[in-house]
Amino acid sequence: EAQVTQNPRYLITVTGKKLTVTCSQNMNHEYMSWYRQDPGLGLRQIYYSMNVEVTDKGDVPEGYKVSRKEKRNFPLILESPSPNQTSLYFCASSSLGTATDTQYFGPGTRLTVL
Amino acid sequence: AQTVTQSQPEMSVQEAETVTLSCTYDTSESDYYLFWYKQPPSRQMILVIRQEAYKQQNATENRFSVNFQKAAKSFSLKISDSQLGDAAMYFCAYAAPTSGTYKYIFGTGTRLKVLA
Repeated sequence: EAQVTQNPRYLITVTGKKLTVTCSQNMNHEYMSWYRQDPGLGLRQIYYSMNVEVTDKGDVPEGYKVSRKEKRNFPLILESPSPNQTSLYFCASSSLGTATDTQYFGPGTRLTVL
Repeated sequence: AQTVTQSQPEMSVQEAETVTLSCTYDTSESDYYLFWYKQPPSRQMILVIRQEAYKQQNATENRFSVNFQKAAKSFSLKISDSQLGDAAMYFCAYAAPTSGTYKYIFGTGTRLKVLA
């Protein structure tokens, strides 16, 4: 089944404790992206990647890192999480990164930083 | 800067009736795409409909259609014959070309309630 998977689905952590949210897709997609969703703010793009070793900042990259060492994986790294990074996070992928490609979203990761 | 505005935080519609969700955007680009996404309580993001800016014809997908007014920078979603399963958060989104790919900007969402 074609899908985007994220792990973990739920995470509660404390300020400053490094964490990684994994994202994997099995569709051989070139384009992958991370979003955060906050009430009243909608979804905001954090980082996106057009291909292996090619990443670029979205609208809210501060406090986040990403890497794209393999086409299928695009982990989101929070080196020193803070409470303002408490949010619902979505990973997405699409075939070539053109706007005619459908973006497939993962199920979301609910992160709480205490 | 490109922005997407959804001015209706919440809307209600009676089952089988028609409802229109509003979206306006701001851009200086000529090449762009607009989308409506549905997010049911499961939190899954589902593409409802897509509109290419260069196409004058409004996109339709079964009971979903858009009214795309390029000059007014307006992109509303009409849901006909509303069903209970249409209850969800709806996001308007804009895709802007950048460095060989597209960057996405989402609105703040409209929560749609469907009344039986």
